[in-house]
Amino acid sequence: NAGVMQNPRHLVRRRGQEARLRCSPMKGHSHVYWYRQLPEEGLKFMVYLQKENIIDESGMPKERFSAEFPKEGPSILRIQQVVRGDSAAYFCASSPPLSYNSPLHFGNGTRLTVT
Amino acid sequence: GNSVTQMEGPVTLSEEAFLTINCTYTATGYPSLFWYVQYPGEGLQLLLKATKADDKGSNKGFEATYRKETTSFHLEKGSVQVSDSAVYFCALSGASGGYQKVTFGIGTKLQVIP
Repeated sequence: NAGVMQNPRHLVRRRGQEARLRCSPMKGHSHVYWYRQLPEEGLKFMVYLQKENIIDESGMPKERFSAEFPKEGPSILRIQQVVRGDSAAYFCASSPPLSYNSPLHFGNGTRLTVT
Repeated sequence: GNSVTQMEGPVTLSEEAFLTINCTYTATGYPSLFWYVQYPGEGLQLLLKATKADDKGSNKGFEATYRKETTSFHLEKGSVQVSDSAVYFCALSGASGGYQKVTFGIGTKLQVIP
C-alpha cells in the first residue's frame, strides 16, 4: 500500500516561472491537505481539498497560488510567477473520509528553490 | 480558534537522558491530539496519538498523556538515542466548519549527542 507520493522531490525555478507540485494521496484517501514549511519555521496550512472541491483555502495566498484535486489524477498545487519568497518545502497530506480521529499521512515533500 | 503551543528548541541532550517536550493546546470541544516526528529531508510521520482525556499514546519508547484539566499533551521518553534526533510536532485535530482541521505547533528540534 503505497504512501502519499509527491513529485518532484526538488524543483528549481527562476523568478517569474511557474511551479507545479503534484501529490497522489494514499489509496482510499479522498482528502488532501497542502502545507508549506519555511526553514526553521513550523508547518503552515495552505489548503484542504476533497475530490473536485476546495473545502478550505484560508491559508493560501490570494494571488499566484491555486490548487486542484480533480476526479482523476493527482492533486496539483500551482504557483505562478514565482518569487524568491516562495522557496520552501511543500508537503501534502491525505486522510480517509470522515476521519475526525485519523492521523494525516504525509508525503516526503517538494523542495522548491527559486533563483 | 484552535491553537497549539510547544516549547521552542533546539533541545540538546546526551544519549540516555530523559526527554520532555511540552505541548499545550486551546480548542473547543474534544479534539484528538497527536505527536508527529520529522527526520531530515523527510515528511512528517505519526509518532503517537490520543483521542480522549486521560488516554496515553505510546510508541518507540515515547509517551504522552492527554490531560484535559491542564490542556496539555507533553511528550516524554526515558532514555533518548542518537537516532531520535529529529523535529517533533504537537498537533490537534478538531471539528471546525464541519470537517477535520489539524493544527500544528511550531515544532521542536531535538539533537541527541553521543
